[in-house]
Amino acid sequence: DIQMTQSPSSLSASVGDRVTITCQASQDISNYLNWYQQKPGKAPKLLIYDASNLETGVPSRFSGSGSGTDFTFTISSLQPEDIATYYCQQYDNLRFTFGPGTKVDIK
Amino acid sequence: QLQLQESGPGLVKPSETLSLTCTVSGGSISSSSYYWGWIRQPPGKGLEWIGSIYYSGSTYYNPSLKSRVTISVDTSKNQFSLKLSSVTAADTAVYYCARQGATTTPRVAFDIWGQGTMVTVSS
Repeated sequence: DIQMTQSPSSLSASVGDRVTITCQASQDISNYLNWYQQKPGKAPKLLIYDASNLETGVPSRFSGSGSGTDFTFTISSLQPEDIATYYCQQYDNLRFTFGPGTKVDIK
Repeated sequence: QLQLQESGPGLVKPSETLSLTCTVSGGSISSSSYYWGWIRQPPGKGLEWIGSIYYSGSTYYNPSLKSRVTISVDTSKNQFSLKLSSVTAADTAVYYCARQGATTTPRVAFDIWGQGTMVTVSS
């Protein structure tokens, strides 16, 4: 089975900062990588699909890149409403695996 | 707009079967572009995909849960359901249902989620 790792597990940043989260797959997953945002007590929300495609309605400060085994998620200018846990998720061979999550808060 | 709503008992005894239903409103579960999935999240932990079903009844499951999971669909009611047998305290979690892009589409992701329902396994 494909394993997903994320780093860091948590981070604190100031409003307006650029925030970067990395996600690594244990084997090549091409671009089958999605990113979700989950706020406390809420269901996850899809932000990025297929590594770099912005979901409709999601602010452009969110972006994703990468392919193969190494992926990056970026918030170009952190906003107070971006406080949440972010998960990467891979799809391969009819199986889905989520990363362990990265908790983002305001410094 | 499409909405999903989970329903079912919030408390299940150990060794019994957990049963949940997801009702889809504002759209048809019989769309050829989508699968319908279950995902769970133990308290304070991450997300775990349980399995997915197509309106035709075709299913695929997380191998780690496959022996205990059954997902079914009722297109006449626009619902799909989850059964998880022989539950233990480790199955205590928030259970979400979600719409998933079919593998024949360019967006194989969970794009619409229910609000989630907490299920506790305890005697």
